[in-house]
Amino acid sequence: QSVLTQPPSTSESPGQRVTISCSGTSSNIGSNSVNWYQQLPGTAPKLLISGNTYRPSGVADRFSGSKSGTSASLAISGLRPDDEADYYCAAWDDSLNGLVFGGGTKLTVL
Amino acid sequence: QVHLVESGGGVVQPGRSLRLSCAASGFVFNNHAMHWVRQAPGKGLEWVAVISYDGSDKNYATSVRGRFTVSRDNAKNTVYLQMSSLRGEDTAVYYCARDRTLLSTVYSYGLDVWGQGATVTVSS
Repeated sequence: QSVLTQPPSTSESPGQRVTISCSGTSSNIGSNSVNWYQQLPGTAPKLLISGNTYRPSGVADRFSGSKSGTSASLAISGLRPDDEADYYCAAWDDSLNGLVFGGGTKLTVL
Repeated sequence: QVHLVESGGGVVQPGRSLRLSCAASGFVFNNHAMHWVRQAPGKGLEWVAVISYDGSDKNYATSVRGRFTVSRDNAKNTVYLQMSSLRGEDTAVYYCARDRTLLSTVYSYGLDVWGQGATVTVSS
């Protein structure tokens, strides 16, 4: 069972917008920044969102992040078939003194 | 080109040891903390350990504390994960990853460079 809670799966049609939620506690999301990762099938994860809202160089502006209290969200607009991937949230946990991940959300673009 | 290349994976019997290496290139290695993250077959990502840019600070997941040791050789641009008393549940792809932040022991801003992964299988 993961420390951060994400829905296991979600699906949406091409061109539409989807949001993926990530719920934590005061010791992780409530105290530290949230980062999001995209993992395409058979590949290493890729940093998608850093510091709650920052997009690293090369990440499309269709991806956006937000945080409020002990929850965070990743939004993807203008969905494309190649957005099909697993998406993970992560944050440092001050109580565990370690990095914690969500269980991952499998996005299907129908 | 910024690269991380893991090596040292393989099949090992329960209770035995294995050392993974991660060679870095294309960036100033001793400016960045380095993490190990693993992924069991068909499962999600699990953080394993972090070592600070100068090796002075190390943290471990509860599941590996006391069995795994992270270290680094900044002269060789390499980070290591020494794994001992291996168990079946340690079977996973092990990724090394660069912490995005420079010269800091605050590990909150993401892992921005990842290796291709090394497969470790613990089985008799």
